[in-house]
Formats: sequence, structure tokens, C-alpha cells
Amino acid sequence: GQQVMQIPQYQHVQEGEDFTTYCNSSTTLSNIQWYKQRPGGHPVFLIQLVKSGEVKKQKRLTFQFGEAKKNSSLHITATQTTDVGTYFCAAYNTDKLIFGTGTRLQVFP
Amino acid sequence: NAGVTQTPKFRVLKTGQSMTLLCAQDMNHEYMYWYRQDPGMGLRLIHYSVGEGTTAKGEVPDGYNVSRLKKQNFLLGLESAAPSQTSVYFCASRRTTNEQFFGPGTRLTVL
Repeated sequence: GQQVMQIPQYQHVQEGEDFTTYCNSSTTLSNIQWYKQRPGGHPVFLIQLVKSGEVKKQKRLTFQFGEAKKNSSLHITATQTTDVGTYFCAAYNTDKLIFGTGTRLQVFP
Repeated sequence: NAGVTQTPKFRVLKTGQSMTLLCAQDMNHEYMYWYRQDPGMGLRLIHYSVGEGTTAKGEVPDGYNVSRLKKQNFLLGLESAAPSQTSVYFCASRRTTNEQFFGPGTRLTVL
């Protein structure tokens, strides 16, 4: 079945440093979504990318969808302690949303 | 709007006991989903529903049953709980634009 691989598994950064997580699929994706889960919380939808090569920004967060629609990335500029959490990519396989394993971000002040 | 709610928040079961987890949404969404989350495993889809009266299997359906008798409710049942079902269970509903809204989760421990 469709699998979505995500790297790295963990990332520890100093506050103010940048952070990037990558998502890869062996198959072409129709779209890709990103979710954030704070420690002890539930996943919260961040964004959906649909078009090949698409780039979207939300304040300090930049999301990209690869030209071949097989990979995606989330980049955070100048991390803050409020960015702490696990970031998941996810992609639909018909009506099933398949999640990547997530990248846990820890930010040290 | 309460969004997506789940009951109970916590539960401890003994092996072999049964229980039902309730998910409710007030956003009139057609699609609803049940996931389990284990450390380092991300979220895995158990069952889902594309509308009232319909259910379908996800990635890890064994040991679980579901029912969607009303559009706003999606129930997840464990007929005979096993320690391997110790997990955090999340319910979600899906908007027509595809984003999913998650409930706060149920933390289940099976002894």
C-alpha cells in the first residue's frame, strides 16, 4: 500500500535556528497535507498542497510540494519555543489518509 | 461549535473486556475516521466512514468494529481487549476540502 516516509525522526534546535522536515513517497501523490501535534495534544491541520511545485507560506512556515508530486517539505525559519511538537505529513489514498511517522521538534531557549 | 468530541478521555481495561469509544461531531461532515497512535508509529487508520450507515476498513482494522448509525456519531468497539490495543485513539471528521479535524483523544490502557 501507499507509504509516506518522513525524516528526520527527531530534531533538536536552539531557538532562532531554522528547521526542515522532509516527506517522501514512492508513488505520485494527488495532494499532501501537513499537521502539527503539540505534546499531549491532537493533530491540527496546517495546510494542503495540491499542485506540482507548489509553495505556500504561513508566517515563518514554508511548505513545498515537489515537481514530481512525490515529496514535500516543511521549513520553519527562526524557530520559537511555540514551534515545539511533532509535524506530520499525510496523503490520501482514495478516502484513506495515510500519515508519515512524523518529525518531533524540540526547541531549546 | 464543539467540533469533534470523544468520550471517554481515559480508560483502563482488563484483557478480554469490551468497550465502546464514542466520537461526535457537530460540523455536519460526511466522512469520519478512527486512528490509533502508538509511540514512534505515527497515526494509523483503523476504520472510516464516508457517510451515515457506511463503514470501511483502514490499515489496522483487526480487533475493532465500528458503527455509524447517525451522521454525527462514529462508534469504535473493542469486543475483547488485548494489551496490544493499549494506545491513544483519535477520531476525526473530514471537511469537503479534505482537511481533517481531530478530537482530543482517548487514552486506553489494557492490562
